[in-house]
Amino acid sequence: GAVVSQHPSWVICKSGTSVKIECRSLDFQATTMFWYRQFPKQSLMLMATSNEGSKATYEQGVEKDKFLINHASLTLSTLTVTSAHPEDSSFYICSASEGGAGEQYFGPGTRLTVT
Amino acid sequence: GESVGLHLPTLSVQEGDNSIINCAYSNSASDYFIWYKQESGKGPQFIIDIRSNMDKRQGQRVTVLLNKTVKHLSLQIAATQPGDSAVYFCAESIYGQNFVFGPGTRLSVLP
Repeated sequence: GAVVSQHPSWVICKSGTSVKIECRSLDFQATTMFWYRQFPKQSLMLMATSNEGSKATYEQGVEKDKFLINHASLTLSTLTVTSAHPEDSSFYICSASEGGAGEQYFGPGTRLTVT
Repeated sequence: GESVGLHLPTLSVQEGDNSIINCAYSNSASDYFIWYKQESGKGPQFIIDIRSNMDKRQGQRVTVLLNKTVKHLSLQIAATQPGDSAVYFCAESIYGQNFVFGPGTRLSVLP
């Protein structure tokens, strides 16, 4: 089946620093990648949708200058949390789709802890 | 620090019994639905999907029912096993775009 990986799986960073999270589709070409955020005991909240070669579309309330998304190839999307603060601590999950009304394949998630 | 989230509804079932997890979705225009299973510290795992032109779909040990009239989705798990313990989310979308996830239900399987 389709596999999506994320790196790193867990990162601890100091407040004010930036963190980059990678999302890769390992055995298929992902025309669309999605970034979600999940707080403890809560559901997934869509942050942004990115199509390869295009600017990401951000959901209302998500700061695009703080959460930089790059989808430079059909197998890689990156999310950079800039100037991270403790309230950015969360579980960040990406998913990838081959496009159309198809299934989304989820990555294992990245736990971000900002101290 | 981390936010304090809402307490997830929990369904406890005896091993071997059938489980029914319910979900109310919000958008009457949604035409594609997926059930996901999420184990602690892991990403969501696809279980089964259904399109709006169907009202029932069966997989291995799982059945999804869709009632568009009342915007209700359910996931039935037959002969529930300890490995089924997880949080289950329904997700709705229009033509596979921008999935919106439900709040989730924690399934606990009792020995």
